[in-house]
Amino acid sequence: QTVVTQEPSFSVSPGGTVTLTCGLSSGSVSTSYYPSWYQQTPGQTPRTLIFRTNTRSSGVPDRFSGSILENKAALTITGAQADDESDYYCVLYMGSGIYSFGTGTKVTVL
Amino acid sequence: QVQLVQSGAEVKKPGASVKVSCKASGYTFTSQNMHWVRQAPGQGPEWMGITNPSSGDTSWAQKFQGRVTMTRDTSTDTVYMELSSLRSEDTAVYYCAREGPAIYYFDFWGQGTLVTVSS
Repeated sequence: QTVVTQEPSFSVSPGGTVTLTCGLSSGSVSTSYYPSWYQQTPGQTPRTLIFRTNTRSSGVPDRFSGSILENKAALTITGAQADDESDYYCVLYMGSGIYSFGTGTKVTVL
Repeated sequence: QVQLVQSGAEVKKPGASVKVSCKASGYTFTSQNMHWVRQAPGQGPEWMGITNPSSGDTSWAQKFQGRVTMTRDTSTDTVYMELSSLRSEDTAVYYCAREGPAIYYFDFWGQGTLVTVSS
């Protein structure tokens, strides 16, 4: 079974830029996987950030952007702020009505 | 405004079944698919399955094959997820999540229902 992989953790300085990726254990991610990204802080419901690769959800600041980078989906935070410290998950549409969450990335801002 | 309100926490014994409800409001219930996602303590979310509220069609992740039933009631704008043969590893927060209008993503989430499986 194909696993959706993400970096376990990243650290970024306030005001800095960080790019998280979302790949496949076998194969490449393209726009046909309709990647979406979610932010979650402990004990909270996930918040939708990006859908269809690069479309920001309503109310999401433009410091969050999505793309395809070297056969992976990517989420870039430009000008990181303290309240960006969260867990980030990607979701890919695997076809035939099946979806899969990534393993998640913990982002620390310090 | 869109709201998804889920049923309350449950405690079940191993081998039992649990049925979680998710009542939708603020939009046309049959216009968008509903997903079920669960999150075990300290773990990331896991996609369970999807229900089309209009047709009743469902798809689910292979690991839940034979154990999960997803239904809907269009008279009350409610979707249901029933998981049977519960084991301790099924202890998790279960979420319903609406599929967004542009499809292939989740735009609104229920508040979550904690299901605890313990003898």
